[in-house]
Amino acid sequence: RKEVEQDPGPFNVPEGATVAFNCTYSNSASQSFFWYRQDCRKEPKLLMSVYSSGNEDGRFTAQLNRASQYISLLIRDSKLSDSATYLCVVNGGSGYALNFGKGTSLLVTP
Amino acid sequence: EAQVTQNPRYLITVTGKKLTVTCSQNMNHEYMSWYRQDPGLGLRQIYYSMNVEVTDKGDVPEGYKVSRKEKRNFPLILESPSPNQTSLYFCASSMQGLGNQPQHFGDGTRLSIL
Repeated sequence: RKEVEQDPGPFNVPEGATVAFNCTYSNSASQSFFWYRQDCRKEPKLLMSVYSSGNEDGRFTAQLNRASQYISLLIRDSKLSDSATYLCVVNGGSGYALNFGKGTSLLVTP
Repeated sequence: EAQVTQNPRYLITVTGKKLTVTCSQNMNHEYMSWYRQDPGLGLRQIYYSMNVEVTDKGDVPEGYKVSRKEKRNFPLILESPSPNQTSLYFCASSMQGLGNQPQHFGDGTRLSIL
């Protein structure tokens, strides 16, 4: 089983839609969780960390479910500029390694 | 400006010709790491360094070497490059290597080995 698994998509949604991505992880000892955004052929950039109680940053909401070992990202009121690949990132439990999912591709259309 | 700088950004070379990709960060970060990204495989860690003179293998270290003689620099060395090392490479750094801190990525280096 892969350490971190994501639905690769692509998710094609109209502007203004709400879209949600899920990501599952295999290591129950993992303690740190992040969502990164990557534009085509560019470097990954941190979108937000994911906290146990869930957290929100503007139109973006991240949730963590430790019992089921998944994290989610909700994007409300999608913008054209949200089109990108979203990477789920989980630390490996040992503390040092970060495991990246393969990414979920989002395309927001006019 | 806080940044991670990789050079070169693009390189086309031939099998067997040694090459070095440099990585430098100006944030006084202790942790640095190299990844490669390939279609369908996502980001995979090659090597990482917890601090000066401390390096360790990631998931795909074969064919690569690294060194960490100074805190700010973490070069990636391909002693005898082969076509299967054609990839997009990213260097990243974070304050510490505890896995609970986000990483800052360089712009990437696109290597083509013919």
